[in-house]
Amino acid sequence: DQQVKQNSPSLSVQEGRISILNCDYTNSMFDYFLWYKKYPAEGPTFLISISSIKDKNEDGRFTVFLNKSAKHLSLHIVPSQPGDSAVYFCAASGIKGAGNTGKLIFGQGTTLQVKP
Amino acid sequence: NAGVTQTPKFRILKIGQSMTLQCTQDMNHNYMYWYRQDPGMGLKLIYYSVGAGITDKGEVPNGYNVSRSTTEDFPLRLELAAPSQTSVYFCASSYPQTDTQYFGPGTRLTVL
Repeated sequence: DQQVKQNSPSLSVQEGRISILNCDYTNSMFDYFLWYKKYPAEGPTFLISISSIKDKNEDGRFTVFLNKSAKHLSLHIVPSQPGDSAVYFCAASGIKGAGNTGKLIFGQGTTLQVKP
Repeated sequence: NAGVTQTPKFRILKIGQSMTLQCTQDMNHNYMYWYRQDPGMGLKLIYYSVGAGITDKGEVPNGYNVSRSTTEDFPLRLELAAPSQTSVYFCASSYPQTDTQYFGPGTRLTVL
C-alpha cells in the first residue's frame, strides 16, 4: 500500500521553463512534507519542506504547494536549469509528539531532465 | 564536518555470505536510519535508532540486523545474503523531533 505516490516517473522540460513535479498521499495523519533531490551515485539531499498548516513555501527558485483537501503537493522550479536534472523524491512524516521518531515515507521518485 | 559517511561504496556478495555496511555521522544526531532503494522505487526504511542502545524495525527489516553502541555509528548487518537484497543502501541521521534527514552517499550491493 503506497502511502506516498509520484505517478510520473519522468519529466522533461526546456531550460528556463517551469518544472512541476507532483506527489499524492493517502494518509491524512501526515503533517509535514519534504522534497529531496538525488544525483546519480549520491545520497538524497534535502531541498524544501512544508508544514500542513501552510499551503505554500518558497525558497529561491523552488516553491512547494500543499492542497490538503486533495492530499496533493507539488514542487515548482522556476526557471529550470540543466543542473536541476536529478531524481526528486517527495516524503511525508507523521504528527509530532512523544514517540515520534522522524520516520519518513518516500514516494517512488520523478526523474527530471532539463534540456539546454 | 564529514556529515554521514558509508563504507564500502560497492560490494558484490555470493548467496549465503554475510557482511556489515558501516555508517558514521559526526553531527551528534540522535536519530539514525537505514534505507534501501530498489530500481524505480522510493526509499524503504529497514531499521532506525533513536539513540545509543535503542533500535527498532522499519518497513522491510527481514534479513537484516542493526546495533547502536555509540551515537556516531549505526552498522547494518546482512547475515545470509540473498539476491533479493541486491539494492542501494542509504544511511541517514537527524536531530530528534525534526524531519530533515541527512543522507550518506550510499552502498551499492549486488548478491549473486
